[in-house]
Amino acid sequence: SQQGEEDPQALSIQEGENATMNCSYKTSINNLQWYRQNSGRGLVHLILIRSNEREKHSGRLRVTLDTSKKSSSLLITASRAADTASYFCATPSSGSARQLTFGSGTQLTVLP
Amino acid sequence: DVKVTQSSRYLVKRTGEKVFLECVQDMDHENMFWYRQDPGLGLRLIYFSYDVKMKEKGDIPEGYSVSREKKERFSLILESASTNQTSMYLCASSSRDRALYGYTFGSGTRLTVV
Repeated sequence: SQQGEEDPQALSIQEGENATMNCSYKTSINNLQWYRQNSGRGLVHLILIRSNEREKHSGRLRVTLDTSKKSSSLLITASRAADTASYFCATPSSGSARQLTFGSGTQLTVLP
Repeated sequence: DVKVTQSSRYLVKRTGEKVFLECVQDMDHENMFWYRQDPGLGLRLIYFSYDVKMKEKGDIPEGYSVSREKKERFSLILESASTNQTSMYLCASSSRDRALYGYTFGSGTRLTVV
């Protein structure tokens, strides 16, 4: 069952601009994770934010979490062509914390 | 460098064939998962395993089975392949104790059933 939903489905920006992707989820969670997938490859774990955190940074990535709105955002600053990929949010499944449920993803294209 | 290895990147099989997709991880992870990924549908969980010889159904187990005889290996079996099983298959693993560190994924197997 779908837990996280990303918005927008697709995003196209120029190199150097910032990219923001949003994720909404339905049930209470103890953490939310973001993954990247390059075309035709597996997913790579980017960052995890716990429910008691509001913001987290990792390099050019900034993730926020608003548990009252059940939403999260991923900001990529100063984007590069190499950031072109699909980005997914993932949340623990309601049935088991060890399982993750993934959204449908945002396809980010960074134009050189 | 820790990794999850899927045996094939691309696979073409005929309808009705029995298909084995192999996944091996070298991180001593307890948890292993099989997902399929289709355009517009995201990742859907097929089966998962938390221990050797243990398996649980995910959201879409129909037409699939799994085997986990050793901790490092988790196999997905398509008993009789059908064209609607054409998809990207992704294997992932995670540590029971470090579940919050996220999943490690393999590179995926793109299966085409003709």
